Amino acid sequence: QKEVEQNSGPLSVPEGAIASLNCTYSDRGSQSFFWYRQYSGKSPELIMSIYSNGDKEDGRFTAQLNKASQYVSLLIRDSQPSDSATYLCAVTARNTDKLIFGTGTRLQVFP
Amino acid sequence: DVKVTQSSRYLVKRTGEKVFLECVQDMDHENMFWYRQDPGLGLRLIYFSYDVKMKEKGDIPEGYSVSREKKERFSLILESASTNQTSMYLCASSPGLAGLDEQYFGPGTRLTVT
Repeated sequence: QKEVEQNSGPLSVPEGAIASLNCTYSDRGSQSFFWYRQYSGKSPELIMSIYSNGDKEDGRFTAQLNKASQYVSLLIRDSQPSDSATYLCAVTARNTDKLIFGTGTRLQVFP
Repeated sequence: DVKVTQSSRYLVKRTGEKVFLECVQDMDHENMFWYRQDPGLGLRLIYFSYDVKMKEKGDIPEGYSVSREKKERFSLILESASTNQTSMYLCASSPGLAGLDEQYFGPGTRLTVT
């Protein structure tokens, strides 16, 4: 079992729809959870962080965390073609400052 | 804003050459990291550093070494470049304070070894 798992996609959604990206992790000791956006040929950019169970909203983005189910998700409302990118889920490794990254989900938003 | 810079965006080297990749951060972060990213394999940690002159191996340290002589600068060294080290190299830094684990990435260096 991978430590952080994501569906590689592509996830295709029409412009204006809600895109839902999912991530599961294996270490119950993980405390911090992050979503990064990576455009093709560019480096990852931090877009959301979440540390406690529940929802956290920032503009069109909502991160959801369920530690009991070891599940974290990212919702993108009113998806735009500019949201087309690969989204990386990352969680902290237990008792370290290291992050463990998933391999990413490619999102395609079509007009 | 956090700024992480890397010395080169693109680099072409020959097999056997010694290669230096430099990374500088301007936010007084304690932690710095070097990753490589390859299609289908995701981000893989090569080395990281929690403090000046301190380093720890990541998941794939073979063929690499690092140097951190100053807090803001973290260098990755390929002692004798090989074609299987052709990759995108990403540097990142994080605050290193309790509860602040988010990492900020530099623009990356795409290295080609021929």
